[in-house]
Amino acid sequence: QVQLVQSGAEVKQPGASVKVSCKASGYAFTTYSMRWVRQAPGQRLEWMGWINTDNGNTKYSQKFQGRVTITRDTFASTVHVELSSLTSEDTAIYYCARDSSGLYGDSFDFWGQGTMVTVSS
Amino acid sequence: SYDLTQPPSVSVSPGQTATITCSGDGLPKQYVHWYQQKPGQAPLLVIYKDTERPSGIPERFSGSSSGTTVTLTISGVQAEDEADYFCQSTDFGGTYPYVFGTGTKVTVL
Repeated sequence: QVQLVQSGAEVKQPGASVKVSCKASGYAFTTYSMRWVRQAPGQRLEWMGWINTDNGNTKYSQKFQGRVTITRDTFASTVHVELSSLTSEDTAIYYCARDSSGLYGDSFDFWGQGTMVTVSS
Repeated sequence: SYDLTQPPSVSVSPGQTATITCSGDGLPKQYVHWYQQKPGQAPLLVIYKDTERPSGIPERFSGSSSGTTVTLTISGVQAEDEADYFCQSTDFGGTYPYVFGTGTKVTVL
């Protein structure tokens, strides 16, 4: 069965960077793009960017442009998101979610369990 | 971009029907997808393209659409349906290509 397993919670100081991983299993990794979204406390979900896991092409939200990098390791079936210059406003749960690639419209058909990132001095 | 608005909470007795709305100016042109999220768990797609149900999702989950409002209906609610539900749509011409609703907490009394 399809599974997306994310790395564990992180606590970072302001100005630092954080890298969150998402390991996929149960399907052909390069067949589906992967998206990253986050949810800050009390806020709605927010799209950060996505990566074509086949060719590595990426697209990022303008809000995070210059601070976010999404990469993939096809041998490990893993996608990473790295966010730099962290502030307290980056405290959130970060999710990877698979692009259903039209199978279910433009939906996110499988999600990781979420990774809590806390930015605090 | 446009916003998707949901009621914060819905309460329902077991066996009754829960209805959750999702409203947004862009909705007549774009499909809406619904997700269920239980505490500490990954979100689960329960309805896609307004009315379609992925395999494995119980028939008591259904969706409908009318104008700028899309509705998720849970018929014959069970205790296990207590969760947060949020809607999602697309806005490729806006700031964010994917937009999300504010979320609705369904409480089974």
